[in-house]
Amino acid sequence: AQSVTQLGSHVSVSEGALVLLRCNYSSSVPPYLFWYVQYPNQGLQLLLKYTTGATLVKGINGFEAEFKKSETSFHLTKPSAHMSDAAEYFCAVSSPYNQGGKLIFGQGTELSVKP
Amino acid sequence: ETGVTQTPRHLVMGMTNKKSLKCEQHLGHNAMYWYKQSAKKPLELMFVYNFKEQTENNSVPSRFSPECPNSSHLFLHLHTLQPEDSALYLCASSQVRGGDTEAFFGQGTRLTVV
Repeated sequence: AQSVTQLGSHVSVSEGALVLLRCNYSSSVPPYLFWYVQYPNQGLQLLLKYTTGATLVKGINGFEAEFKKSETSFHLTKPSAHMSDAAEYFCAVSSPYNQGGKLIFGQGTELSVKP
Repeated sequence: ETGVTQTPRHLVMGMTNKKSLKCEQHLGHNAMYWYKQSAKKPLELMFVYNFKEQTENNSVPSRFSPECPNSSHLFLHLHTLQPEDSALYLCASSQVRGGDTEAFFGQGTRLTVV
């Protein structure tokens, strides 16, 4: 079985500050991990994903995430927040034994960026 | 059009109405999905279709009836819904491959049941 926990349903940062959104997973098989972003009144857009190989993954819009197996974590970071980063962010897990598109999602973290 | 397109974007229906949600993907994918996004809850996978065949139904009530006439189109037929069915319904598509394959999502249909 797989599950995802996102710590903090709401995170607020100032423009230019570090963004850190936390994601922990549980998986009995090697996980594939994803971060999606949802802007208001929009669908979900893939930010980045980890499947195999390098554990530090870079995505779009300056975001990156690091897979830490020992901590069962896949936290999302961005060095400097921009107003346009305000959105809801979802961490999701899959596995090599699932097909693409069958994802287990966390409950989401809403990011606010203050001027 | 490109990507995954959902219509309508907003829908208000009474509990005795029948309505349908439509999804179309222009990505050449062979798998399509319906997800439900309720406030303060994780996205829930409802149905999976591979090559037009339903391969998964995650204990969804029968008042939700999916239809997939071809690999590019997916419908969700709604009848006698309850107020708790109000949510954002998201359609997604992908290739039928391993779990490393990206899913592409539509913009969703915001459903309100009154």
